[in-house]
Amino acid sequence: SQQGEEDPQALSIQEGENATMNCSYKTSINNLQWYRQNSGRGLVHLILIRSNEREKHSGRLRVTLDTSKKSSSLLITASRAADTASYFCATPKSYNTDKLIFGTGTRLQVFP
Amino acid sequence: DTGVSQNPRHKITKRGQNVTFRCDPISEHNRLYWYRQTLGQGPEFLTYFQNEAQLEKSRLLSDRFSAERPKGSFSTLEIQRTEQGDSAMYLCASSSYEQGAYYGYTFGSGTRLTVV
Repeated sequence: SQQGEEDPQALSIQEGENATMNCSYKTSINNLQWYRQNSGRGLVHLILIRSNEREKHSGRLRVTLDTSKKSSSLLITASRAADTASYFCATPKSYNTDKLIFGTGTRLQVFP
Repeated sequence: DTGVSQNPRHKITKRGQNVTFRCDPISEHNRLYWYRQTLGQGPEFLTYFQNEAQLEKSRLLSDRFSAERPKGSFSTLEIQRTEQGDSAMYLCASSSYEQGAYYGYTFGSGTRLTVV
């Protein structure tokens, strides 16, 4: 079963624009993670935000977490063509495990 | 250490044949995971190990699937009597799950299985 659901399913933007992806989840969590997947490749861990954090930055990435709404967002600023990929949020299936449940992903296309 | 390694990268097999995939995790990681991913979907959990112990198997893992992690090092995933529905990307990941020192999964590049 899918724990996280990303929105939108697909997003197309021009280079230099910002891209925002959202994730909703269902159960209580101790962390939420975002991963990137280039076509036909494995997933790459981008950022982990813990349940006691509200915002986290890593380079051009900004992640927010709202545990009251059970939602998170990933913002990519000043996007580049190389950011074209699928982005997945993942949450532990339950509070005391690190077994991750992934959403269906947002497919981001950045046009030069 | 060059990360998580999966072999082969691609496998084409005839229906009914057995296949085996290998995953070499990051050596310091005590947990190893197998996921399956079909086109347009997120990865689905199959099974995971802590050291050599298999702690959980998904209901997706039928009797035709078996996974091992001898000596807590590399892992193998075997599919017996393959079916066309087994065609997917099989992903391996590892992590070091220790309180206060958990940073998420490191994935391999995956093994793409095509059953013809």
